[in-house]
Amino acid sequence: AQSVTQLDSHVSVSEGTPVLLRCNYSSSYSPSLFWYVQHPNKGLQLLLKYTSAATLVKGINGFEAEFKKSETSFHLTKPSAHMSDAAEYFCVVSVAPSNTGKLIFGQGTTLQVKP
Amino acid sequence: DGGITQSPKYLFRKEGQNVTLSCEQNLNHDAMYWYRQDPGQGLRLIYYSQIVNDFQKGDIAEGYSVSREKKESFPLTVTSAQKNPTAFYLCATAIGALVPHRDLGNTEAFFGQGTRLTVV
Repeated sequence: AQSVTQLDSHVSVSEGTPVLLRCNYSSSYSPSLFWYVQHPNKGLQLLLKYTSAATLVKGINGFEAEFKKSETSFHLTKPSAHMSDAAEYFCVVSVAPSNTGKLIFGQGTTLQVKP
Repeated sequence: DGGITQSPKYLFRKEGQNVTLSCEQNLNHDAMYWYRQDPGQGLRLIYYSQIVNDFQKGDIAEGYSVSREKKESFPLTVTSAQKNPTAFYLCATAIGALVPHRDLGNTEAFFGQGTRLTVV
């Protein structure tokens, strides 16, 4: 069975400092992994996705994530936080066999960016 | 302008009433999903549909019903049997399993803007 765990429910950084949002996954198959961002009372927007082509994945707004099979991790990083990055972030794994498109969501991490 | 439209944005329901949340898409996606979001619990799958006139229960289907009479539409009814309906509801779509040779493992989902349902 697949599962995903976001290790921090809340992360606070200062503007201009690096961001690290941690995600571990469990999967019996080669997983497909995603990071989504949600601003208050809005839908979810895809930041980036890992589909086995490259272990370092670059996404929108300067975010990137590295797939580490040995650590079963898919942590999200950004070199320098902006105020506009304050939002909730979800790490997501695709259910396999991948013929349903079903997704399993982590609990979410709220990112706070201080001036 | 392609996308997913959820309506209404805010909905209030009296106890014992059924209410229906609308989700319409013009992305020509086969797969549609309903998720419920509660604080600190991420998103949980209520129902999903891979094709017109067919749908499957997700992880928390009790107290909900859906229909898929058209490819573009996947309405969700919250029935009086749902004991704790206050939540944020998100509709999503994906290309779906009907695309030949497509591995859905790397298929991303596209989300609507959500409907916030409150029981009063």
